[in-house]
Amino acid sequence: GDSVTQMEGPVTLSEEAFLTINCTYTATGYPSLFWYVQYPGEGLQLLLKATKADDKGSNKGFEATYRKETTSFHLEKGSVQVSDSAVYFCALSLRTSYDKVIFGPGTSLSVIP
Amino acid sequence: DAGITQSPRHKVTETGTPVTLRCHQTENHRYMYWYRQDPGHGLRLIHYSYGVKDTDKGEVSDGYSVSRSKTEDFLLTLESATSSQTSVYFCAIKDKGASNTEAFFGQGTRLTVV
Repeated sequence: GDSVTQMEGPVTLSEEAFLTINCTYTATGYPSLFWYVQYPGEGLQLLLKATKADDKGSNKGFEATYRKETTSFHLEKGSVQVSDSAVYFCALSLRTSYDKVIFGPGTSLSVIP
Repeated sequence: DAGITQSPRHKVTETGTPVTLRCHQTENHRYMYWYRQDPGHGLRLIHYSYGVKDTDKGEVSDGYSVSRSKTEDFLLTLESATSSQTSVYFCAIKDKGASNTEAFFGQGTRLTVV
């Protein structure tokens, strides 16, 4: 079935370090791919998205490129800040009738000064 | 911010009692979803709705029912709560059924079944 796999962490980085969170997916058809972020005590919010192969989504210094050949959508940021501490979810959405979103397990990131 | 309100935000209930969680939106979005969030599982879809009185099951629907009598309200009911239903529940809404549109989430309801 359709699914998303991502490293669960927790990941702990020092401020200004480089971040990579790996995400791979299995899907029939051509999904849209998303990264959502959840800050402590809050709901999820969209961080970035890509809707077709080779698209790059970017926001707030984060980037991810839709790689159809490797079925991946890895999240990267060149220099993390303490305020980036959160849980990050990779997700996909298929062109089914009701467009359910399938989430990965989430990756907890802690950035220390 | 999308206008989504979940109530209650926190609830403690006893095993075997019925519980209803409410999701209210002011965006007039057609699609509404209930997810539960558990460590190691991410978010799993419980039920979803594609219009008033139109609902369907997600991947973890056992023990849950839903109703949508108005566009703005989507209710999740646990008919007889069990400890395995202790979780954080999130409501989400989408404007269009297109796969490339963003889902907007409420702030969650933390439910504890004792």
